[in-house]
Amino acid sequence: DAGVTQSPTHLIKTRGQQVTLRCSPISGHKSVSWYQQVLGQGPQFIFQYYEKEERGRGNFPDRFSARQFPNYSSELNVNALLLGDSALYLCASSSSPGQGAEKLFFGSGTQLSVL
Amino acid sequence: AQSVTQPDIHITVSEGASLELRCNYSYGATPYLFWYVQSPGQGLQLLLKYFSGDTLVQGIKGFEAEFKRSQSSFNLRKPSVHWSDAAEYFCAVAPSGGYQKVTFGIGTKLQVIP
Repeated sequence: DAGVTQSPTHLIKTRGQQVTLRCSPISGHKSVSWYQQVLGQGPQFIFQYYEKEERGRGNFPDRFSARQFPNYSSELNVNALLLGDSALYLCASSSSPGQGAEKLFFGSGTQLSVL
Repeated sequence: AQSVTQPDIHITVSEGASLELRCNYSYGATPYLFWYVQSPGQGLQLLLKYFSGDTLVQGIKGFEAEFKRSQSSFNLRKPSVHWSDAAEYFCAVAPSGGYQKVTFGIGTKLQVIP
């Protein structure tokens, strides 16, 4: 079975542009979470979605948005890009939403560079 | 609010030596605790987790961790390090209820020398 897949693997944008990152969870997993990992830091929680509904949101501005589709794949959108948005964006899936003990399976991430 | 502190940013050990990576957490109740490993250019892989029961937890790749409530710690150990263990290690905490917001520490980068 395929793991969590993310696309694209690398992306270069300029300030002010918009970007869409994509994630396909492990087959059978209904929950998708997004994390931002700035170089030299640990991942920071952005969103969690389950059954197409937002279940949690981290401390990120409204420029960040996401959605989950009926097939449980997900997109993360970032508008009006800033230099500080340069980071590795990680998607993680799990089989159920909400209990904190649930094991997360991470993709390899999308490396976003904003120039 | 939950938080995680990993006091060692970088650790170097010799192959075959023992390893201990430190982690302290802050959370109002008993949290769920995790250790993840990240190799360069890769996502994170779960090594082990704790949420109840025996305070000594066994994980994959020969790692173990011990939960000490009195010290708010969850240190990761391995008796004999292999060169392939060189990677970055993240301690993480998640709430025992509500949605699945996992808070990660800053990470400890492990270098293994021959």
